[in-house]
Amino acid sequence: DAGVTQSPTHLIKTRGQQVTLRCSPKSGHDTVSWYQQALGQGPQFIFQYYEEEERQRGNFPDRFSGHQFPNYSSELNVNALLLGDSALYLCASSPPSGSYSYEQYFGPGTRLTVT
Amino acid sequence: DQQVKQNSPSLSVQEGRISILNCDYTNSMFDYFLWYKKYPAEGPTFLISISSIKDKNEDGRFTVFLNKSAKHLSLHIVPSQPGDSAVYFCAAGTNAGKSTFGDGTTLTVKP
Repeated sequence: DAGVTQSPTHLIKTRGQQVTLRCSPKSGHDTVSWYQQALGQGPQFIFQYYEEEERQRGNFPDRFSGHQFPNYSSELNVNALLLGDSALYLCASSPPSGSYSYEQYFGPGTRLTVT
Repeated sequence: DQQVKQNSPSLSVQEGRISILNCDYTNSMFDYFLWYKKYPAEGPTFLISISSIKDKNEDGRFTVFLNKSAKHLSLHIVPSQPGDSAVYFCAAGTNAGKSTFGDGTTLTVKP
């Protein structure tokens, strides 16, 4: 049973460029959340997708957008990259549990470096 | 304003002894709390959780205690093993499904 997978593993971009990160949730999970983890800090919630719609959003600018597909996989898009966007981006999935789930299963993350 | 705080960046204990990791929160609306463990080059792994209606939850060597009046929770690991060495994150949330994380405590268990 595959867990949460993310691609790519590492990515280097230049300021001003755009990036797309991808996530496949654990089998049987239908909710996907994205987090940004800067060095030495805990994961910061970006947004959560359920039934192909953004259900919750953290304190991130509109440059951060996402999408969920019918197969529950998800993409995170970041436009107009800034140096401060350099971080580990984590995807987490949750099992169906009524409308909300507490426990999350994390992927290994995508390390984004903006130069 | 950081709503979940782990004030000890690191903790070192001897194998076989108890490890106690602490976490404080400010938002009284949080109704569930979780602990995650993270090894290098891996994503966080769920360890144990507790609902705000309880004050203790136990799972094998791991016990989480919640003190709502003090807005404080702790994770006890007994006995500690070298394989427990990792970064431990405390997280909290509401039934809306968004989790707020602390900055982590690096636990080192010495053989």
